[in-house]
Amino acid sequence: EVLLVESGGGLGQPGRSLRLSCAASGFSFDDYAMHWVRQAPGKGLEWVSGISWNSGKLGYADSVKGRFTISRDNAKKSLYLEMNSLKPEDTALYHCVRDLELDLRGLEYWGLGTLVTVSS
Amino acid sequence: DIQMTQSPSSLSASVGDRVTITCQASQDIGNYLNWYQQKPGKAPKLLIYDVINLERGVPSRFSGSGLGTKFILTISGLQPEDFATYYCQQYDNLLTFGPGTKVEIK
Repeated sequence: EVLLVESGGGLGQPGRSLRLSCAASGFSFDDYAMHWVRQAPGKGLEWVSGISWNSGKLGYADSVKGRFTISRDNAKKSLYLEMNSLKPEDTALYHCVRDLELDLRGLEYWGLGTLVTVSS
Repeated sequence: DIQMTQSPSSLSASVGDRVTITCQASQDIGNYLNWYQQKPGKAPKLLIYDVINLERGVPSRFSGSGLGTKFILTISGLQPEDFATYYCQQYDNLLTFGPGTKVEIK
């Protein structure tokens, strides 16, 4: 069974940093691209960032480019999101998501998410 | 950047109805289009990938069509468990979601 468990969310102050982690199990982690997708309260889905199986391709939404950094550790079967220069509009539930394949294509398996609240 | 739009933003329908949701891309994305279903308080679920392919376990009443810039999700014979919000997503250039279509009970 594919399992994705996010952690690291919480209250962050504007301008400060948070680091999200995602622990993966139940599949061959290094055979798939991975993503972070967020959903602000009462709003739609927003793709935040994605990383290919070997970290050779990284992508970011314009809203987070230059502030967030995605990374992965295939040996630890883990995905990360370093969030810097936090803004109130970054407040959302952040999901770790496994892709359909090696490259950035589709969002097949979703974690339950970790809530990030940015407020002073 | 590729922008995605969906219409309608919401609709009311009855059990058994045929429902269509349209998704449009701001530029040609070929067949690089997926559909998701999200129920309140739940993580989204992949329904259809590459325009027409049903994900494992998705009922055959769901179907997708389209190419280029215009795509359609059809639910043939709406069931009570289908009341949800539906999102399209392109992957021709990174990933972008549409704003969603909420399907409500009439």
